[in-house]
Amino acid sequence: DAGITQSPRHKVTETGTPVTLRCHQTENHRYMYWYRQDPGHGLRLIHYSYGVKDTDKGEVSDGYSVSRSKTEDFLLTLESATSSQTSVYFCATLDGTKNIQYFGAGTRLSVL
Amino acid sequence: KQEVTQIPAALSVPEGENLVLNCSFTDSAIYNLQWFRQDPGKGLTSLLLIQSSQREQTSGRLNASLDKSSGRSTLYIAASQPGDSATYLCAQPGANSKLTFGKGITLSVRP
Repeated sequence: DAGITQSPRHKVTETGTPVTLRCHQTENHRYMYWYRQDPGHGLRLIHYSYGVKDTDKGEVSDGYSVSRSKTEDFLLTLESATSSQTSVYFCATLDGTKNIQYFGAGTRLSVL
Repeated sequence: KQEVTQIPAALSVPEGENLVLNCSFTDSAIYNLQWFRQDPGKGLTSLLLIQSSQREQTSGRLNASLDKSSGRSTLYIAASQPGDSATYLCAQPGANSKLTFGKGITLSVRP
């Protein structure tokens, strides 16, 4: 357990509204990741960060942006939510010493 | 592009059986592979990480192996229990440790 907290845990929103999901870690890990999990697709990487203010795109980044102003916080923003973004979102951090990724409990997002 | 495959998608076994979960990957430049467990509605729990320099890694009743030449990893579960029922995912890291996941194997252990 790498002390990862995701908030909110559940959210229901309407199409077209902006949504921000938060990931907070207590382990001072440099690398952080956002994945989404969907039936039939498994887990896919949205964006990741390799340090404060250093971020890059993953496999399914369209419609998402991220920010990392502090080591402990990594925010995922849906600029204008669409129904296709209904998913379970997981944040992860990398223990660079062990090369193990640890995951948060997830945020279940429904876009109506 | 890295691809990770887990077949079958689901498996049902009686309690006490020893079982093997398979994971295939296409990128032979693999440097490690991570196995996770996911319970319904929950996050992922790391079970084992096996480095490319290792052939096996063990934790309790779990044993993971990695064969780069064949592009396969296996997770062996000894003496399965109903509490082992969950989805098991394998994942291969790429650049910046970005993980590519298989779609998982949902295991059901019948009492």
